Amino acid sequence: AQSVTQPDIHITVSEGASLELRCNYSYGATPYLFWYVQSPGQGLQLLLKYFSGDTLVQGIKGFEAEFKRSQSSFNLRKPSVHWSDAAEYFCAVGSSNTGKLIFGQGTTLQVKP
Amino acid sequence: NAGVTQTPKFQVLKTGQSMTLQCAQDMNHEYMSWYRQDPGMGLRLIHYSVGAGITDQGEVPNGYNVSRSTTEDFPLRLLSAAPSQTSVYFCASKDRENQPQHFGDGTRLSIL
Repeated sequence: AQSVTQPDIHITVSEGASLELRCNYSYGATPYLFWYVQSPGQGLQLLLKYFSGDTLVQGIKGFEAEFKRSQSSFNLRKPSVHWSDAAEYFCAVGSSNTGKLIFGQGTTLQVKP
Repeated sequence: NAGVTQTPKFQVLKTGQSMTLQCAQDMNHEYMSWYRQDPGMGLRLIHYSVGAGITDQGEVPNGYNVSRSTTEDFPLRLLSAAPSQTSVYFCASKDRENQPQHFGDGTRLSIL
């Protein structure tokens, strides 16, 4: 079955510390992978995407993610977290020919001053 | 450039009432979809469309109906609202293959 798992429901980091949000997926075909961020009461903003090619992808706001096929993972990283990064983060895997997305449960990031 | 526009932003219904959530995009995208977001469950796909006149069910289609008569519009209909349909609903659209989805700002729906 196709699924996305984000093992950490809630993460708290200090401002300036590094961040890694985990994402594991199960998908039968070539995965198209995404990370979205959602601030409270807002819609979803695309942080970055992976379709093919270089397995380390750069996104907006200083985020990056690495696709590891052998581990079925697509973890999101940021070297230094800012207070404005506090939000909910969603990993998703998609189909190229239908536009369907399967989302993980989300990880809520809290940033301590 | 409006992107994906959802109306209304908020709605309260009584059990058994019907209503239509509107979604429109001005990017000439072929693919459109509806998701619902519930705490701790991420977003789940309700229905999707790969072009005008073509729709299909997603993960949680029961209680919802869609149609796609034009490229721009993809309304979601609740035929007889139930409290279990209290949720935040997101519409999304995307261009051809290998492109990410663009999301609307959501409709917060409460069923009493």
